[in-house]
Amino acid sequence: SQQGEEDPQALSIQEGENATMNCSYKTSINNLQWYRQNSGRGLVHLILIRSNEREKHSGRLRVTLDTSKKSSSLLITASRAADTASYFCATDGETSGSRLTFGEGTQLTVNP
Amino acid sequence: KAGVTQTPRYLIKTRGQQVTLSCSPISGHRSVSWYQQTPGQGLQFLFEYFSETQRNKGNFPGRFSGRQFSNSRSEMNVSTLELGDSALYLCASKGTGTTGYGYTFGSGTRLTVV
Repeated sequence: SQQGEEDPQALSIQEGENATMNCSYKTSINNLQWYRQNSGRGLVHLILIRSNEREKHSGRLRVTLDTSKKSSSLLITASRAADTASYFCATDGETSGSRLTFGEGTQLTVNP
Repeated sequence: KAGVTQTPRYLIKTRGQQVTLSCSPISGHRSVSWYQQTPGQGLQFLFEYFSETQRNKGNFPGRFSGRQFSNSRSEMNVSTLELGDSALYLCASKGTGTTGYGYTFGSGTRLTVV
């Protein structure tokens, strides 16, 4: 079963615009990670935010974490056509051991 | 350095058969995890191996099993295949002392059961 939900399920924007994806989860976590998946291929790790952090940046990516609301958001700035992919949040739980629990994913389409 | 290698990339099997998938982690990584991805259930954790021991197990029937060898390479086996086992199977590896780092995934094995 999935840890939580991501919204929107699908997002279509123009190149140069910003894309924001949200993720909610249910249990206490050690950290939350975001991954990208291009059409049926493997997952690529984008960024990890620890439970005691509130915001983190990596290049054009900005992640926020609100543990009181059990939610996170991923912002991709100045999007490019190459950013077209599915994006998943995954939580590494306090009690789940070394396993990731994934959200349902957001399909991002960036139109040139 | 080489990434996580999964073989084969594609596989077609018949119901009732069994299948073995292979995963070679990044050199030096001792933790190998397996995930199943389907359109209906999304990404679900199967199991994790560390130093040849199963450390964590997801909620899958006993038809799904795995093992890890002394060189950290891992295999997963699915016996008595069912149509619902059709999925993308992903393997991920992680090094020790890498708290704060994510997992590295392979490209997956696409299993189709007919």
